[in-house]
This record gives sequence, structure tokens and C-alpha cells, in this order.
Amino acid sequence: SQKIEQNSEALNIQEGKTATLTCNYTNYSPAYLQWYRQDPGRGPVFLLLIRENEKEKRKERLKVTFDTTLKQSLFHITASQPADSATYLCVFDSGSARQLTFGSGTQLTVLP
Amino acid sequence: DAGVIQSPRHEVTEMGQEVTLRCKPISGHDYLFWYRQTMMRGLELLIYFNNNVPIDDSGMPEDRFSAKMPNASFSTLKIQPSEPRDSAVYFCASSSNEGTYNEQFFGPGTRLTVL
Repeated sequence: SQKIEQNSEALNIQEGKTATLTCNYTNYSPAYLQWYRQDPGRGPVFLLLIRENEKEKRKERLKVTFDTTLKQSLFHITASQPADSATYLCVFDSGSARQLTFGSGTQLTVLP
Repeated sequence: DAGVIQSPRHEVTEMGQEVTLRCKPISGHDYLFWYRQTMMRGLELLIYFNNNVPIDDSGMPEDRFSAKMPNASFSTLKIQPSEPRDSAVYFCASSSNEGTYNEQFFGPGTRLTVL
């Protein structure tokens, strides 16, 4: 079965630095990789999506890369702020079915 | 739109009792998903519906769990009888077949504690 692995459970960085989160998957490549943000006591919120044939996607301070050879996606937050502190979830989207497979998440803390 | 609405937000019950969780999806969305989130297992899909019809319930852990969607604006997840290992946060999410992406919109969740 498909597995999604996110590099670490927790990541602490200093405000202003770039946070880089890693997502690795096994078996076949998804049609899309999605990234969600989850704050304590709330449901996940969709951030952005990258297609299998895209190398890079940007949205404001967010950047996602997708390397099908390495079976890896990197999620970057530039000029990080304490408000970026949350858990970030990498999500496998096969594109052929509506259900998504969620990674376990990386808890990011941006220190002031 | 108010987004996905779930009730109750918190539920504390005793082992053996019946628990019913409720969800109102975003109006116009064709798909509804029930998830369970725990520290150990993360976010797991339990079941999902398309146009009120259950499509995949392979994630439902046991016969004690059942879900219904009597109409496009309401779904329930029932646990009978409940057990302590059912303690988790249960999320409902919905999505639209007409969206550009297959993004899902989550409710705030119901935190269930079974004593």
C-alpha cells in the first residue's frame, strides 16, 4: 500500500529563516501532492497542490517542489513568522479517486 | 458559506454507550468524508460518500461503526457500543466534483473521549 513519510515530527526554526519540510512516498507517483496546514483544535486547511509534471509551485511565501525520481516533495516557507507555527501535512492524491492519503505531519515552530 | 459544520465539538461518554457524531457539508459539495485522527495513527479515512451514496467504507474499523447520509446536507457517524480505544478526534470533510483541485474542506472536528 502507498505510504507517505514526513521527515520529522517536529521542526524548530528562527523567525525570518526558511523552513523546509520533507515528504517521501513509496510505490507509484501520485498525480498530485497536496499540502495542508493544521492548527491545534482545528481541521486541516488546504494550502497548495503540485502536479506530477510540475517541478515547482509557488504561492506567496510558500514553495513546493516535486521530484518523481526521488519520490519526494519539499515544502518551503520563506521569511518564516511565528504565525506559521502549525502542523503541515503532506497528502497523496492519486487523481483517479476522491480519497486522499495523509502523511503524519511535521509540527513546525517558528521562534521569535 | 459557514463551512463544514460538526456537532458536538466535544463528547465524553462511558464505555458501552452509543455515540452519534453529526456533519453538515458545504452546500453544493458532492463528496463527504469521515476521518479519525489520533497521535498514533494520524488522519485515517473511515468512509466517504458521493451524492449521498457510500463509496468506500473499507476504513471503518469494526461493525460497531456505521455512517449514513440521508440527504445532501447531513451525515452521521455512529459508534455502538463505544470503547475507550475509540477516543480520537473525528473530522468530517467535503469536496466538490466541480473544483479545480481535489481539495477537501474540513470541519472543526469532534473530540470524543470514551471512559
